Amino acid sequence: DIVMTQSPVSLSVTPGEPASISCRSSQSLLFSNGYHYLDWYLQKPGQSPQLLIYLGSNRASGVPDRFSGSGSGTDFTLKINTMEAEDVGVYYCMQALHNPLTFGGGTKVDIK
Amino acid sequence: QLQLQESGPGLVNPSETLSLICDVSGGSLTSSGFYYWAWIRQPPGKGLEWIGSIYHDGTIHHNPSFKSRVAISVDTSNNQVSLQLSSVSAADTALYLCSKRTLLQPPVWGRGTRVTVSS
Repeated sequence: DIVMTQSPVSLSVTPGEPASISCRSSQSLLFSNGYHYLDWYLQKPGQSPQLLIYLGSNRASGVPDRFSGSGSGTDFTLKINTMEAEDVGVYYCMQALHNPLTFGGGTKVDIK
Repeated sequence: QLQLQESGPGLVNPSETLSLICDVSGGSLTSSGFYYWAWIRQPPGKGLEWIGSIYHDGTIHHNPSFKSRVAISVDTSNNQVSLQLSSVSAADTALYLCSKRTLLQPPVWGRGTRVTVSS
């Protein structure tokens, strides 16, 4: 199984400041078509997970452009350019290349 | 725009079979090319866990941790994807979500349905 390791486990961010979350996979997530099958999700308090980034760096529809995804191979990063109060919640990375599909343990982000 | 809506009994007795439905609207259950439907769950206060997937060609893969308790199927006449989980216990209490994934389009998730296993 591919192990997804997220860091940090928790993060307190001052509004207006940037934030960064790391996700490392135990195997490369690069498929033969040139895309990385790595998603980022945000689960706001009391809600279901919502897609932020897919294929490593593609922002989902309606996601503010302060969110960006980058990385390749086994190392990926989600960046929030300027933290806003509505961005609090738990962030998960997920690999969709190999079965079983696996998720990172989550990064809890709150406002400092 | 494709939308997914999960539904289920809410409360299931231990040792019984849990049956869930994912209603697909705004698009066809089947289409050309590669895609799969997946079931994912999240126990209260915990992380996300993949249960299994059914692919465009009917192939089914499930998480080995569920052993042989999982059955996934599609009902094209009703535009639904189904999940059955047998011999449930309290450990199966969770939010259950369905999702559709293609090769290049953004994955689509439903909002999930909560299931409690208790007598």
